[in-house]
Amino acid sequence: KQEVTQIPAALSVPEGENLVLNCSFTDSAIYNLQWFRQDPGKGLTSLLLIQSSQREQTSGRLNASLDKSSGRSTLYIAASQPGDSATYLCAVQAGGAGNMLTFGGGTRLMVKP
Amino acid sequence: GAVVSQHPSWVICKSGTSVKIECRSLDFQATTMFWYRQFPKQSLMLMATSNEGSKATYEQGVEKDKFLINHASLTLSTLTVTSAHPEDSSFYICSARDRGANVLTFGAGSRLTVL
Repeated sequence: KQEVTQIPAALSVPEGENLVLNCSFTDSAIYNLQWFRQDPGKGLTSLLLIQSSQREQTSGRLNASLDKSSGRSTLYIAASQPGDSATYLCAVQAGGAGNMLTFGGGTRLMVKP
Repeated sequence: GAVVSQHPSWVICKSGTSVKIECRSLDFQATTMFWYRQFPKQSLMLMATSNEGSKATYEQGVEKDKFLINHASLTLSTLTVTSAHPEDSSFYICSARDRGANVLTFGAGSRLTVL
């Protein structure tokens, strides 16, 4: 059974810092990996999706990498801002399109002004 | 892009009542929909997978008689929490798979509070 772990569980940084969020998964037979953002009491916003054949994806100040063989992904946030404060969730999709996602426990990020 | 609408976005009910949450794919046909539950400060946990026209598949530990899932059409799935109790208070999120693409689209979620 796939297990997804995110480290750290919580992170507090001053504004402007670059930071890295980590995600690891136990079964490397994945279809893709996604990073989501969730604001308190709200739904999910998809940030980046990496297909199993890709190594990384970039969107603005966000960069996500994927090392499928080692079961790891990182989300890099450059020049953090207070508006980046949220919970970041990593999720892997099982082999075969349309299958369920398995979510990590999330990293709660607080960026202080 | 693909849009999934969930309704209601929040609901408060008394213990013992039943609550229905709807998940609609607005501009695509969803052959498969997934229902997740999220307790405060925890991640999302898959409750069940529903395929259009067939019975839902429930994850271990999820009571199928308590959480009734209906996926009667390609654009609508419903989750009914029967005889709700305070411990059922949670954030429920659905996602839908576009039959024409390999993409899962998430609804905005429904917050249930049972008094």
